[in-house]
Amino acid sequence: DVRLLETGGGLIQPGGSLRLSCVVSGLSVSSNYLSWVRQAPGKGLEWVSVIFNDDFTNYADSVRGRFTISRDKSKNTLYLQMNSLRAEDTAVYYCVRFAASSGSLDYWGQGTLVTVSS
Amino acid sequence: DIVMTQTPLSSPVTLGQPASISCRSSQSLVHSDGNTYLSWLQQRPGQPPRLLIYKISNRFSGVPDRFSGSGAGTDFTLRISRVEAEDVGVYYCMQATQSWAFGQGTKVEI
Repeated sequence: DVRLLETGGGLIQPGGSLRLSCVVSGLSVSSNYLSWVRQAPGKGLEWVSVIFNDDFTNYADSVRGRFTISRDKSKNTLYLQMNSLRAEDTAVYYCVRFAASSGSLDYWGQGTLVTVSS
Repeated sequence: DIVMTQTPLSSPVTLGQPASISCRSSQSLVHSDGNTYLSWLQQRPGQPPRLLIYKISNRFSGVPDRFSGSGAGTDFTLRISRVEAEDVGVYYCMQATQSWAFGQGTKVEI
């Protein structure tokens, strides 16, 4: 069974930092495309970032320069370091596996809520 | 950037009756490798999204066969042959041919 479990969400003030973690089981973080997708309250889905190997990462324009995606192979865990947080970053953040062969997001975590507010 | 447009944004349905959702892309989704990376996701209330269909018409593992996908190029359709109560939720199309982009979502309600 593939499982993705996100942690690290919470209430943070604008300008603050937060690190999300996603513990992955059933597949290796080092040989899969892993991504973060977010969903603002009552809104649709927005892709945030993706990582494949040590030299491939990509970011949505809305977070580039503020967010950093990374992974720890020894812990089979995906991370999202979020700096300079803004109110518009408030969302549920999902950890998701991207299956390159099918071009689809096939395994999703339950999500963790990040609220940016003073 | 490719823009994905779904219609309708809200779809009242009747149990046991068919339903369909359309998704149109601003550019062709045919990749240089010949594949069309168009998928459909379902999000039930309070749940994370779930993959239903990939590459236009392939059902993901465990997806009931009442769900089907069709289309080509820039126009795609998700069909539910007979709506069941558990099908209530929001449906998203997504393209992964050129970067990634999601449709706005279509709310299906009884």
